[in-house]
Formats: sequence, structure tokens, C-alpha cells
Amino acid sequence: KQEVTQIPAALSVPEGENLVLNCSFTDSAIYNLQWFRQDPGKGLTSLLLIQSSQREQTSGRLNASLDKSSGRSTLYIAASQPGDSATYLCAVRSSGGSNYKLTFGKGTLLTVNP
Amino acid sequence: DVKVTQSSRYLVKRTGEKVFLECVQDMDHENMFWYRQDPGLGLRLIYFSYDVKMKEKGDIPEGYSVSREKKERFSLILESASTNQTSMYLCASRMTGLSDTEAFFGQGTRLTVV
Repeated sequence: KQEVTQIPAALSVPEGENLVLNCSFTDSAIYNLQWFRQDPGKGLTSLLLIQSSQREQTSGRLNASLDKSSGRSTLYIAASQPGDSATYLCAVRSSGGSNYKLTFGKGTLLTVNP
Repeated sequence: DVKVTQSSRYLVKRTGEKVFLECVQDMDHENMFWYRQDPGLGLRLIYFSYDVKMKEKGDIPEGYSVSREKKERFSLILESASTNQTSMYLCASRMTGLSDTEAFFGQGTRLTVV
């Protein structure tokens, strides 16, 4: 059974700092990994999708990497801003078993202080 | 842009009521999902539909049913609402495919059962 862990559970940084959020998964047989952002009381916004054959994806100040063999992904946020404050979730789509579902981590709550 | 729209942001229902949560997507996606999100438990899959009239149980289907009569619409039904179904409900959609298919979520419905 796939399990996804995100560390740390919460992170507080000053504005302008570069930061890294971590995601690990137990089964390396995956189709893809997706990073989401969730604002309080809202739905999920897709940030980046990394396919299993890819090593990284970039969108603006965001860069996500994937090391499938070690079961790890990182989300790098450059020059953080107060508007980046949110919960960040990673989700893995496994290629075995119930391969239609996404398995989510519990998220990292990011606070960027002005 | 893909749009997934959930019919209500907030709902308050009484114990024992039959409750319908509606979700509509505008991108002709074959796959649709219902998740619930609870503090400390993260997102858990209730039901999945891979095409019109097709459905699969997720991890926590008990107390729920679904309906998919049209491709763009996926309904979650609480047959007899109970207080332990108080939660945030999230609908998602995705194209059929494997590595390169991104999931998109709605804005969420916060359901309170009293």
C-alpha cells in the first residue's frame, strides 16, 4: 500500500527566503507525482505534475524534482512571498493495484512572514 | 483553463437527511473523483468514476453512493446523513491516461451535519 509523507508539517520563513518542501513515498512504481496548493477553506490548485520519466518540472518560482528510485520529491520555492502562504500537498499516482487513485500526503503548512 | 465547479461552498443538513453534492467539469474529462478531507486524516477517496455510468469504490465508500449520468456531472449522495460525515468534500476530474494526466479540483463543499 502506497504511503506518502511530507516533512515538515509546518514551516515559517521570512519573506525573500528560498525554501524546500519534502515529499516521500514508499512504493516507487508510480505514473506521476503532483504538487498542489490549498488556501484555508478552499479547494486544491494544481502547481506541477512530474511524470515518472521526468526528473524535474518548473513553473515560475517553483521547481519540483523527482527521484523515483529513492521515493522522494522536493518542491523548491524561490524568493518566497507572503502570498505563498498556504498548505502544500503532494500526491502520487501509483502504477500498480488501484492505479486510478491519487494518494496524498498530509501537507506542509507554509507561512511566509513579511 | 479547466474548471471544476461544486454546487455549494457551504451546506448545513440535519441527521438522517438525504444529501446531494453536485460537481460539474467543463473539459470533457472521463475520470471524476470524490474525496473528503479531515484534519489529521488528509484526503481520502470516497468514489471514482472512469466514465459515464461507471464507478469504483474508493477507500471509504460506506454511507455514500454516486451517480454519473452525464460525462460532465458527478454527484455524491449521502443516503442518510450522520454527524461523522461532517467534512470538507472535494471533487476532481482528469483525462483518461497514465503518466501525463493532471488532476484538477473544485473549490470544495464544507458540509456540516447537525
